[in-house]
Amino acid sequence: EPEVTQTPSHQVTQMGQEVILRCVPISNHLYFYWYRQILGQKVEFLVSFYNNEISEKSEIFDDQFSVERPDGSNFTLKIRSTKLEDSAMYFCASRDEGPAFFGQGTRLTVV
Amino acid sequence: GEDVEQSLFLSVREGDSSVINCTYTDSSSTYLYWYKQEPGAGLQLLTYIFSNMDMKQDQRLTVLLNKKDKHLSLRIADTQTGDSAIYFCAERRPGTASKLTFGTGTRLQVTL
Repeated sequence: EPEVTQTPSHQVTQMGQEVILRCVPISNHLYFYWYRQILGQKVEFLVSFYNNEISEKSEIFDDQFSVERPDGSNFTLKIRSTKLEDSAMYFCASRDEGPAFFGQGTRLTVV
Repeated sequence: GEDVEQSLFLSVREGDSSVINCTYTDSSSTYLYWYKQEPGAGLQLLTYIFSNMDMKQDQRLTVLLNKKDKHLSLRIADTQTGDSAIYFCAERRPGTASKLTFGTGTRLQVTL
């Protein structure tokens, strides 16, 4: 069964460093998303991407964040200068016209 | 309000039925979803219902939708210990991005 894959599963980084979280969406899907879940809290929308551009972003998705689809298969989330409060589980999701399927997540720990 | 609401915790005995409730926010939401999250894991799509349906059954899972009250429920029949997890409801509001808005999650504990 096709699935969304994310790498790495866990990333530890120092405050101020840049991180890139990687996702391979399901191959025929056209809509891509990043969500995050701070420990013990609910899942929050960050950004959606369609037709090679951002279609919507939340207040959380400030200038420190960017997304890219560098080739036909990968979808990345970059955080330019990480802060302690960026520590969370980051989920990538993709869909066609149906429901969204989520990856297993990347746990980002900023120290 | 803006929040999708769920009760925080539910404890049931193995073999009993579980009912997890959710109140969503937007009566024009097109799809409503249930996701399961096991400890330290990702979000597994369990089932979903289109807004023009009242009920959907999928093996042990039954979803009920009351659009008038914006109320969604998930019933798990014959609950097993492997069902212990956090269950999130989510609504897909209309619009280009069709992002999901998640509830606070209900922790289901299944006891022997």
